[in-house]
Amino acid sequence: AQTVTQSQPEMSVQEAETVTLSCTYDTSESDYYLFWYKQPPSRQMILVIRQEAYKQQNATENRFSVNFQKAAKSFSLKISDSQLGDAAMYFCAYRTYSGGGADGLTFGKGTHLIIQP
Amino acid sequence: GAGVSQSPSNKVTEKGKDVELRCDPISGHTALYWYRQSLGQGLEFLIYFQGNSAPDKSGLPSDRFSAERTGGSVSTLTIQRTQQEDSAVYLCASSLGQFGISPLHFGNGTRLTVT
Repeated sequence: AQTVTQSQPEMSVQEAETVTLSCTYDTSESDYYLFWYKQPPSRQMILVIRQEAYKQQNATENRFSVNFQKAAKSFSLKISDSQLGDAAMYFCAYRTYSGGGADGLTFGKGTHLIIQP
Repeated sequence: GAGVSQSPSNKVTEKGKDVELRCDPISGHTALYWYRQSLGQGLEFLIYFQGNSAPDKSGLPSDRFSAERTGGSVSTLTIQRTQQEDSAVYLCASSLGQFGISPLHFGNGTRLTVT
């Protein structure tokens, strides 16, 4: 089974600065998908960004970008120009190529991001 | 609907009572997941439905937990004889298919408190 590790339980950043959240994973597969989800106090998990393992180009969504290092099995999230609304729990997730079932999707334990005004 | 809908939003129950939590997925989504999230923790997989296939129940923590999905749409998670350790947020998610690139869309969850 795959494992996902988020080594930073909590991170703090000043508003307007850049922060990077780390995520590493363990897998023997060559094809898979990686996701970052955001969970604000409203509890709803919101998809931030996703990456297909076969793509070398790092995914980008506005102020959010990833640094995907396949050989190192690392998938960090960079948030540029941090805003107060970015404060949330961030979860890294791994999904197998086939996708389904209990082993199809694995979440890390999350990183609590605090934005200092 | 536009998103995944869960009800109730909050539920307080006495120890030993049964509770039912409802999830209405996005129309057309064949895959449906239930997760449990204890305070400040990550997501614990409970059960997975894919189309008309038999559900993957491997994550259910005990036989007090059960779930069904009627007509391939609405799902109900039932917890019998609730215990205090069942207190958590229960999240439902759906996706377009079982293929890996299909992201999960989550509801707002049901916060269950067992007193």
